[in-house]
Amino acid sequence: GDSVTQMEGPVTLSEEAFLTINCTYTATGYPSLFWYVQYPGEGLQLLLKATKADDKGSNKGFEATYRKETTSFHLEKGSVQVSDSAVYFCALPNSGGYQKVTFGTGTKLQVIP
Amino acid sequence: DAGVIQSPRHEVTEMGQEVTLRCKPISGHNSLFWYRQTMMRGLELLIYFNNNVPIDDSGMPEDRFSAKMPNASFSTLKIQPSEPRDSAVYFCASTTTGGHSPLHFGNGTRLTVT
Repeated sequence: GDSVTQMEGPVTLSEEAFLTINCTYTATGYPSLFWYVQYPGEGLQLLLKATKADDKGSNKGFEATYRKETTSFHLEKGSVQVSDSAVYFCALPNSGGYQKVTFGTGTKLQVIP
Repeated sequence: DAGVIQSPRHEVTEMGQEVTLRCKPISGHNSLFWYRQTMMRGLELLIYFNNNVPIDDSGMPEDRFSAKMPNASFSTLKIQPSEPRDSAVYFCASTTTGGHSPLHFGNGTRLTVT
């Protein structure tokens, strides 16, 4: 079945450091891929998405490229800020439809000044 | 757009009591999902509806849990009787089927059962 594996956290970085959060997936066909972010006390919200192979999703300085050959969708940001401290979830919609989504376990990021 | 609205934001109750969580999805969305989030188990899908019809409730942990969607703008998740292990944050999310539509989450209900 469809699955998502993302790196364990927590990740602690200093402000302005480079961020990579790894995500790999197993899926039938070529689904869209998503990154969601959850700030403290809030629900998950879409950060970025890519709908086909080699697409790059980007938002708020974050980027992720849909790599079919490595079945990966790693999240990157060149210079993190304290305000980026949150939990990040990689996700893909299941092939069965109805927009049922498989989420990774989440990676907590803490950025220190 | 008001987003997905959940109520209450916080609920504290005693073991054995009935708990009802409420959700108003985004207008025009035809799929609705209930999730539970805990430190131990992460984010779990409990049940989802399409056009007000329950499609898959295999994630509902026990018969103590039930969910309804009487119309396109309202859903409830009920726990009766509640137990301390039900303590978690419960999220409702909605979306439109087809295409590449993401889920839109509410801010959750933090349930504490003592």
